[in-house]
Parts: sequence; structure tokens; C-alpha cells
Amino acid sequence: GAGVSQSPRYKVAKRGQDVALRCDPISGHVSLFWYQQALGQGPEFLTYFQNEAQLDKSGLPSDRFFAERPEGSVSTLKIQRTQQEDSAVYLCASSSRTSGSLGGELFFGEGSRLTVL
Amino acid sequence: AQSVTQLGSHVSVSEGALVLLRCNYSSSVPPYLFWYVQYPNQGLQLLLKYTTGATLVKGINGFEAEFKKSETSFHLTKPSAHMSDAAEYFCAVSDWGGGFKTIFGAGTRLFVKA
Repeated sequence: GAGVSQSPRYKVAKRGQDVALRCDPISGHVSLFWYQQALGQGPEFLTYFQNEAQLDKSGLPSDRFFAERPEGSVSTLKIQRTQQEDSAVYLCASSSRTSGSLGGELFFGEGSRLTVL
Repeated sequence: AQSVTQLGSHVSVSEGALVLLRCNYSSSVPPYLFWYVQYPNQGLQLLLKYTTGATLVKGINGFEAEFKKSETSFHLTKPSAHMSDAAEYFCAVSDWGGGFKTIFGAGTRLFVKA
């Protein structure tokens, strides 16, 4: 398909497990964002990539969260030693603009719902 | 720093009635403003955006919003609600002072009664 694809759609992890969430952005989109959406809340910014460069990781809640985009296309968000408070929907979005989302549309995937037991 | 406040976490209207979803923003520089809609189990999709120029912007599905700088508001309206409008709506802001990211409000869930 032509949209942003995320996998897995649903993930259940036991507390302490590591998880990896994948995002496949729209082909050719330079900018890629990860957001965390808790139940009943708006998306909270986690991190931003321009091609393979991670230009902003100010929203990552702890050093257990790590994101990469090694070839400037697919991105992976990794959460180590998951905690119950990590339970949320993780949204990936991409944009064709080199200036991130300034003035431009973000194209979102359907999200990966993480439940930590 | 940028921020967005959406007044009312839930709004309920009757089918055919006016829809008004309120949004106020905080930005130290001229903002870019957005409304996104999220249907159940789907990703967010853009309804409309304000960048520069005309302060009344029209979007998809009959929605429109007006940028009022003096009131730091960007309220979303639709003259006549349809059952299919039931969804979660997010107001968002980005600006050069905040880097490359978009900041979202907490969202307003719209219920449409038959």
C-alpha cells in the first residue's frame, strides 16, 4: 500500500521484556516521527528523524526507549525492560518535508498498541 | 514553548446541528495550526491546516476553522453534523521556535445523536 505501515498492530509483553515496533513510512518521505498516545490522550512527541539522522529525541521518556532509522527509510522503536506505564499506542508519522512537520501534513500509520502486563 | 488546549473532552450534538470544537494555542512565533481526525482503530488524518494567508480555512467533509491571532484560537466548525462525523478530533500546532515537531492537544470526542 501507499500509506504508513506499522507492525505489529498489537503487542502484549510481560513486564521486563524488550519490544521492537516497526514503521515503514511512505516511500520517499524524508521526515519520520514517533508519538506515544496513552488512552484518552493526544499523541505525545517522542522523536524525529530527518533521513537517517535523529534530530530530536527530547520526548523519549527514559533511556529504555531507543529509536533508529539506519537507512533513512524503515524505523524501529525499541523499548527495553518494559514497564506497565509504557502501555500505550505508538504512532509513526511521516512527511515529505525536510523541515519536519512545519506547515505540512503528517501522514500517520494505524499505530502499534502495546500492553504491558 | 508551544502548547494546545482543547476545551471539552467530549462534545455531543444532534444530527444536523452545528458542530463547534474549541482550540486555543500558545506560540511565541507565528504558528502553523492543524486539525486532525481519528476514527476508531485508525491513524490520524488531516482535516485542515492554517499556514499563512486567509484566516478562514476549509477542509474535508465540510469542516472549516478560523485562525484568530488576537484570541490565540483556532476553533473547528461544521454547519450541520452527520452521523459519520463521530470521531476524536485533535488540534495541533507547530512553529519554528519548537523545532520540527507538531504538538497535539488532548483531543475532543464528538458524539452525534440521531
